[in-house]
Amino acid sequence: DAKTTQPNSMESNEEEPVHLPCNHSTISGTDYIHWYRQLPSQGPEYVIHGLTSNVNNRMASLAIAEDRKSSTLILHRATLRDAAVYYCTLTGAGSYQLTFGKGTKLSVIP
Amino acid sequence: EAQVTQNPRYLITVTGKKLTVTCSQNMNHEYMSWYRQDPGLGLRQIYYSMNVEVTDKGDVPEGYKVSRKEKRNFPLILESPSPNQTSLYFCASSPLYDSSYGYTFGSGTRLTVV
Repeated sequence: DAKTTQPNSMESNEEEPVHLPCNHSTISGTDYIHWYRQLPSQGPEYVIHGLTSNVNNRMASLAIAEDRKSSTLILHRATLRDAAVYYCTLTGAGSYQLTFGKGTKLSVIP
Repeated sequence: EAQVTQNPRYLITVTGKKLTVTCSQNMNHEYMSWYRQDPGLGLRQIYYSMNVEVTDKGDVPEGYKVSRKEKRNFPLILESPSPNQTSLYFCASSPLYDSSYGYTFGSGTRLTVV
């Protein structure tokens, strides 16, 4: 299975943009890149996903490198409610597993 | 509201006493799955189901059973719980598996086996 690598933790000041990186050098051509986040004492929450092109939604933006071996989740203005563990994961066509690594714990400083 | 509902949220039980954790979704999703989350180990898949009466093992199925008699329900059964099954459990669902869809997770069940 393709693996992802993320920094263990990151900090951001409130109302500043946050760029959360993810490396996935063994990604295959049919793998989608998904991002989830988990707030304390809650289940994981879907954030965004993409295949090749950059994607935007109301929560965040996803920037995917041209070679697809890395991606960056962008929170445009971090709020205290964005403090969570963010997981980058790959889901391939025909795969029935969603594998989460240890993720990046984002702290937001007021 | 579209959601995945797990019950109970918290459960303390004794070794060997059979228990069931229920999971129900109201989105008509065909794919459902169970995960456990342990410190330092991340989220690991226990079982999944692609449709009614279709289930398969994930990464850590030992000690667990599941059933999918109805589309909306996917209970997790521990026939003889042991302390190493103390964990945080999540149920998730998704439309018939398609990499372009995200998963919806329940709020979790914290199980302690003493």
